Amino acid sequence: GAVVSQHPSRVICKSGTSVKIECRSLDFQATTMFWYRQFPKQSLMLMATSNEGSKATYEQGVEKDKFLINHASLTLSTLTVTSAHPEDSSFYICSARGSWATEAFFGQGTRLTVV
Amino acid sequence: AQTVTQSQPEMSVQEAETVTLSCTYDTSESDYYLFWYKQPPSRQMILVIRQEAYKQQNATENRFSVNFQKAAKSFSLKISDSQLGDAAMYFCAYRISGGGADGLTFGKGTHLIIQP
Repeated sequence: GAVVSQHPSRVICKSGTSVKIECRSLDFQATTMFWYRQFPKQSLMLMATSNEGSKATYEQGVEKDKFLINHASLTLSTLTVTSAHPEDSSFYICSARGSWATEAFFGQGTRLTVV
Repeated sequence: AQTVTQSQPEMSVQEAETVTLSCTYDTSESDYYLFWYKQPPSRQMILVIRQEAYKQQNATENRFSVNFQKAAKSFSLKISDSQLGDAAMYFCAYRISGGGADGLTFGKGTHLIIQP
């Protein structure tokens, strides 16, 4: 099956620093990748969509300068949370979809804690 | 904008019984996909079942089936012969068809409890 690996699974960083989260499709080429955010006991909210080699499309209300997304290859997308603050603490989940697929496949998620 | 509504924050069912989770959605599109995802405590999102809006036949996957009512914009999930491993959060999700660059819109989720 299609496997998406997200790394790290947990990260703690100090307020004001930046942290990078990687999302890799291990056995398929992901033409489109998605980044979601999930607060405790809440649903997933789409943050941005990225296509390989193109700039990401951000959802309304998501600061593109704070959440930098790079989709440099067909198997890798990264989310960098810049100048992180405690309110950025959340669960971040990526998903990846190949050109042939109806559904996207999810990574395991990253729990970010900013202290 | 599309919205997905799950009106049941929590449902409880006895093991081996049947439970139905509700989902309604709002869209002006005619071609789209609907999904049910399961999120266990590990928080890994697992696809349970998928329905293409153009298909009238309800999707089924083993013990899981849907009741898709396009005119009513309703998409409920039925779990038969509930098992302890079915306990999880269940999210209903929507995405537009075509384009290829559209993410999912999720409902708020239903917490399913299985009573042994």
